[in-house]
Amino acid sequence: DAGITQSPRHKVTETGTPVTLRCHQTENHRYMYWYRQDPGHGLRLIHYSYGVKDTDKGEVSDGYSVSRSKTEDFLLTLESATSSQTSVYFCAIRGGETGGSYNSPLHFGNGTRLTVT
Amino acid sequence: GENVEQHPSTLSVQEGDSAVIKCTYSDSASNYFPWYKQELGKGPQLIIDIRSNVGEKKDQRIAVTLNKTAKHFSLHITETQPEDSAVYFCAARSNAGKSTFGDGTTLTVKP
Repeated sequence: DAGITQSPRHKVTETGTPVTLRCHQTENHRYMYWYRQDPGHGLRLIHYSYGVKDTDKGEVSDGYSVSRSKTEDFLLTLESATSSQTSVYFCAIRGGETGGSYNSPLHFGNGTRLTVT
Repeated sequence: GENVEQHPSTLSVQEGDSAVIKCTYSDSASNYFPWYKQELGKGPQLIIDIRSNVGEKKDQRIAVTLNKTAKHFSLHITETQPEDSAVYFCAARSNAGKSTFGDGTTLTVKP
């Protein structure tokens, strides 16, 4: 298994509180991603990073921010949690291009189950 | 942006039978098509992938076919076993590097 650790694995928080989820990798991969998984919606991209301090938005970025100050850590912050952000959050990593090809697979962590009450 | 549709959403087969899951995509620039298997409580794991310059790829009981003209690709599992029961996701990616996932198929293999 790729060396990806997500913490915490489970969290219950109240509406309006800030929450930070952490993704830590030991693979020295360039690309890191945050997805959320909801029934009937598959995996939707929240934010991603293509290097230290280089991040960009995904398709469902509203209400989320990210930071990457080191290659190995990618943090996802919910500034003021809402019930609609109750979900399972997955971090994924991907190595860089080889031989000019972008075709390398994602490796996922085991997820963080977040409940906002 | 890319849109990926996956069918069926649930699939139940008898052990030993074959299972087929189909996906269509919208962006003709997509050139990499992975399939992931997700077991309960875990993250998705890559089981097979195919590049756009290949029409078919096989790995033991698993195969993937790609029709670029029609913009669809399929996962085929032969001789299914109970341990194949899981949720399967297809995805499409272009050189922009962002993957778009289908909504998933829950496969149940009945012993």
